[in-house]
Amino acid sequence: GENVEQHPSTLSVQEGDSAVIKCTYSDSASNYFPWYKQELGKGPQLIIDIRSNVGEKKDQRIAVTLNKTAKHFSLHITETQPEDSAVYFCAASKGGGSNYKLTFGKGTLLTVNP
Amino acid sequence: KAGVTQTPRYLIKTRGQQVTLSCSPISGHRSVSWYQQTPGQGLQFLFEYFSETQRNKGNFPGRFSGRQFSNSRSEMNVSTLELGDSALYLCASSLTFSSSYEQYFGPGTRLTVT
Repeated sequence: GENVEQHPSTLSVQEGDSAVIKCTYSDSASNYFPWYKQELGKGPQLIIDIRSNVGEKKDQRIAVTLNKTAKHFSLHITETQPEDSAVYFCAASKGGGSNYKLTFGKGTLLTVNP
Repeated sequence: KAGVTQTPRYLIKTRGQQVTLSCSPISGHRSVSWYQQTPGQGLQFLFEYFSETQRNKGNFPGRFSGRQFSNSRSEMNVSTLELGDSALYLCASSLTFSSSYEQYFGPGTRLTVT
């Protein structure tokens, strides 16, 4: 089955710096790659996603890049703010029907220091 | 539009008991997926329902079961609880069972087994 590796497991940055989280996946048939942010006591919140027919997607301070050949995708957060502090999860999915499920990375605890 | 709701939010049960958790998806969403989140294993897929049918199942024992009602609300049941079942159980809803559509998570039910 699909396997998703996520690095680093913890990341500490100063406010205003950029943060980058990287994920690799094993199944070349995966075609959908969402990123979730989870704050303490809450469920994961979808923050951005990318599909395999796109190489990069941006939404304000957040961007995601996808390299299908290398089977890796990354989350980039620019101008980090303290409220960006949370655990971030990458995930991969393919198709539908019996293939329809998200396989998650282990998460990255991002701490933004004021 | 209201988000995904899960009840109860917290639950304490004794080993050997059974438990039922409930999930109401976003209005109009017909696919409901369940995930287990633990510090050691991360987020793991349990099963997914669409039109009252289980369409996909993860690698969990038969003690974990679920169902979906005609209004798309879903319940999951865990029988003969074990200490290792202590976890955050998350429900996610989507328009349909396809990676063409995003999954949105509820706040989760925190289950503690003593």
